[in-house]
Amino acid sequence: SQWGEENLQALSIQEGEDVTMNCSYKTYTTVVQWYRQKSGKGPALIILIRSNEREKRSGRLRATLDTSSQSSSLSITGTLATDTAVYFCATEDNYAQGLTFGLGTRVSVFP
Amino acid sequence: GGIITQTPKFLIGQEGQKLTLKCQQNFNHDTMYWYRQDSGKGLRLIYYSITENDLQKGDLSEGYDASREKKSSFSLTVTSAQKNEMAVFLCASSIHRGDERLFFGHGTKLSVL
Repeated sequence: SQWGEENLQALSIQEGEDVTMNCSYKTYTTVVQWYRQKSGKGPALIILIRSNEREKRSGRLRATLDTSSQSSSLSITGTLATDTAVYFCATEDNYAQGLTFGLGTRVSVFP
Repeated sequence: GGIITQTPKFLIGQEGQKLTLKCQQNFNHDTMYWYRQDSGKGLRLIYYSITENDLQKGDLSEGYDASREKKSSFSLTVTSAQKNEMAVFLCASSIHRGDERLFFGHGTKLSVL
């Protein structure tokens, strides 16, 4: 099966800073989804980018997708303490079962 | 909006015990999933079900059984709990197979003594 991988495991930043995390995946996917998981909660979808899109924005979130290098990034601008969470990328392909999740990037935003 | 409810929130078991985790969704979604989340290992698929009474194995199905007797519920059984096992089990649903946007419950945290 395919496994996504984040290149950074944990990030600590101050409120107001921008942060970018990366995800590389091993096999073809038609879509990359980014989920945010806050402590004690289940993951929640925050942005989805399809293979025919290079960039997608949603509020302070920006996702990019480079299908040639099989990588995606998630950026958060002007971080808030409430952005503290683990962020997962998830990919899907036609041969696997549902989504394949990366290991996650823990982002801690300090006031 | 809908909600996914997982019970119990915390589950403590003994080695060798059979343990059942339950999940209910009121989205009226067709597809439901069970994922296991270990610290530092992301989420791994145990079982999924595309409709009532359907069961499909994921990468991590060994040691687990699942049951989908109703569209709204999906249960997972740990057939024999392993000593010192600790993980969070996450239930999720999606509208149907092919629309892979997942909605998750808050999880059941399992500890085995």
